Amino acid sequence: NAGVTQTPKFQVLKTGQSMTLQCAQDMNHNSMYWYRQDPGMGLRLIYYSASEGTTDKGEVPNGYNVSRLNKREFSLRLESAAPSQTSVYFCASSVSLAGVTDTQYFGPGTRLTVL
Amino acid sequence: LAKTTQPISMDSYEGQEVNITCSHNNIATNDYITWYQQFPSQGPRFIIQGYKTKVTNEVASLFIPADRKSSTLSLPRVSLSDTAVYYCLVGVSGGYNKLIFGAGTRLAVHP
Repeated sequence: NAGVTQTPKFQVLKTGQSMTLQCAQDMNHNSMYWYRQDPGMGLRLIYYSASEGTTDKGEVPNGYNVSRLNKREFSLRLESAAPSQTSVYFCASSVSLAGVTDTQYFGPGTRLTVL
Repeated sequence: LAKTTQPISMDSYEGQEVNITCSHNNIATNDYITWYQQFPSQGPRFIIQGYKTKVTNEVASLFIPADRKSSTLSLPRVSLSDTAVYYCLVGVSGGYNKLIFGAGTRLAVHP
């Protein structure tokens, strides 16, 4: 049982390049999330998926797109990377979208640098 | 959405008890209080959650006074491995957008 896995662990992009961050969970959770964390800051929600087939914007969605490929996988795409998107990206999952009472399980993160 | 306020940083020594207080003056009747822990280079991890009075698990205790305007996370006999950032979250069950992580409290445990 690996929990939440993310690939890649590290990535360096040039401004304007595109890439997709992959996330998978093996806990049969319904809900999945993408966050970003800038240095010294808390996490900010980018997008979330309440269940397979649905996605919704979070706090900072601009510049990103997501795909809930199936129940296990939730990907985050940067179409045209900008230096302001340099951050650590975390994927998380939970049994359901029950707010603060539904424990979220986080992946190890992807460190992205945009030059 | 109840705003939370926590100290930016705290220092402690191995073997001591650490108490981190979170203020949430505007907490609503249906809001729960949840704490997460984040080690360097890792994602956050759930520690404990409560609604009122006291909750204890194998990792920590959570004390919530009757007015629920604050809460205190208590870590007994900390070790170097407890060095982490601790986040206090307040929000309602079923209200998805309420899960907001602030800057947290950076705890440094010294030998």
